Amino acid sequence: EADIYQTPRYLVIGTGKKITLECSQTMGHDKMYWYQQDPGMELHLIHYSYGVNSTEKGDLSSESTVSRIRTEHFPLTLESARPSHTSQYLCASSGPTSGSREDIQYFGAGTRLSVL
Amino acid sequence: KNQVEQSPQSLIILEGKNCTLQCNYTVSPFSNLRWYKQDTGRGPVSLTIMTFSENTKSNGRYTATLDADTKQSSLHITASQLSDSASYICVVSDRGSTLGRLYFGRGTQLTVWP
Repeated sequence: EADIYQTPRYLVIGTGKKITLECSQTMGHDKMYWYQQDPGMELHLIHYSYGVNSTEKGDLSSESTVSRIRTEHFPLTLESARPSHTSQYLCASSGPTSGSREDIQYFGAGTRLSVL
Repeated sequence: KNQVEQSPQSLIILEGKNCTLQCNYTVSPFSNLRWYKQDTGRGPVSLTIMTFSENTKSNGRYTATLDADTKQSSLHITASQLSDSASYICVVSDRGSTLGRLYFGRGTQLTVWP
């Protein structure tokens, strides 16, 4: 069982509100990621971080921002939510695991965001 | 263009039956291929990961195969159970874990009926 947590699980808000999606992991992983996933579609990387004070934009353009002040936390913020932001947001972290030379990504349960 | 294509898009089988899901990719260079299981409303969970030199890997009733020459992979599920109902996602990495980016397929939605 992965130790990566996202809150809230579900969020319904009005247009123009500022929101922060929380993500925390207790595995000590340096690498963390945010993905956006619409129903029946593939995951799209929107932000990633390779360590404290390191953040980069992913492949999919996003109006959200992220911060990485502590290893275990990687919050995502939308300054002014719009209906086009309605989606599922998945946080992940990755690190080495026994039995594999490759890092394994562990995902949180996701936050389903609806902007009205 | 680097892509990962999965088939079928959806599949319904009866409990106890076997099934095979397909993944074709055009990602280059190739580092590794992963299969994930994603339950509805949850995040994906890793099932297997295979590098270039591995052509089969098992995880319980799940067996993944990889043909790096033809750029194809399959996930075989044996003696399916109701709890196998989920989306199965094929993910390909183009480099090692430190620098590689991941290319995600859209998944195969598997439904197991009693």
